[in-house]
Amino acid sequence: ELKVEQNPLFLSMQEGKNYTIYCNYSTTSDRLYWYRQDPGKSLESLFVLLSNGAVKQEGRLMASLDTKARLSTLHITAAVHDLSATYFCAVDEGTYKYIFGTGTRLKVLA
Amino acid sequence: DVKVTQSSRYLVKRTGEKVFLECVQDMDHENMFWYRQDPGLGLRLIYFSYDVKMKEKGDIPEGYSVSREKKERFSLILESASTNQTSMYLCASSPARARPIYFGEGSWLTVV
Repeated sequence: ELKVEQNPLFLSMQEGKNYTIYCNYSTTSDRLYWYRQDPGKSLESLFVLLSNGAVKQEGRLMASLDTKARLSTLHITAAVHDLSATYFCAVDEGTYKYIFGTGTRLKVLA
Repeated sequence: DVKVTQSSRYLVKRTGEKVFLECVQDMDHENMFWYRQDPGLGLRLIYFSYDVKMKEKGDIPEGYSVSREKKERFSLILESASTNQTSMYLCASSPARARPIYFGEGSWLTVV
């Protein structure tokens, strides 16, 4: 059974700091997605990573995928308050199923 | 823009009632999904469908059924609602494999 683990589960950081969220998964897959969820809202797609070594960047967020290590990272550079949200990674196990991590709740303090 | 619409945002139902949650997508996507989201448990897949009239069980199908009579519509049915089905339900769709899935706004269901 595919398992997807994120850490940390909660992250409180100061504005201007850098931090990384980790997403580990338990089976071979080269398709991983990152989503953002604001409180009371639905999930919004952030990044699509479709091969080993894939790196995508949007603003202060950068995501990467290492399929050999079964690890994806979401790096936050110089955090701002607007990045406060819950971030999910999801792995496509190859049978139409997308398995989600439990999410990382990020709070950026002014 | 992709639009996934869940017709009921907030529902309160009684134990034992039959509940229908409707979802419509407007982008001709092949695949549709129902997830439930609970604090500390993330998103768990209930059912998915990769074609009209086709359905596959997800990780937590017990107590639920689904219907996909038309490509754009995927319904989740709780045959006899129970309090442990109080949750947020998210519908999603995707055009194909290796593509992100797009979520609706969610339906908050409370069973009393």
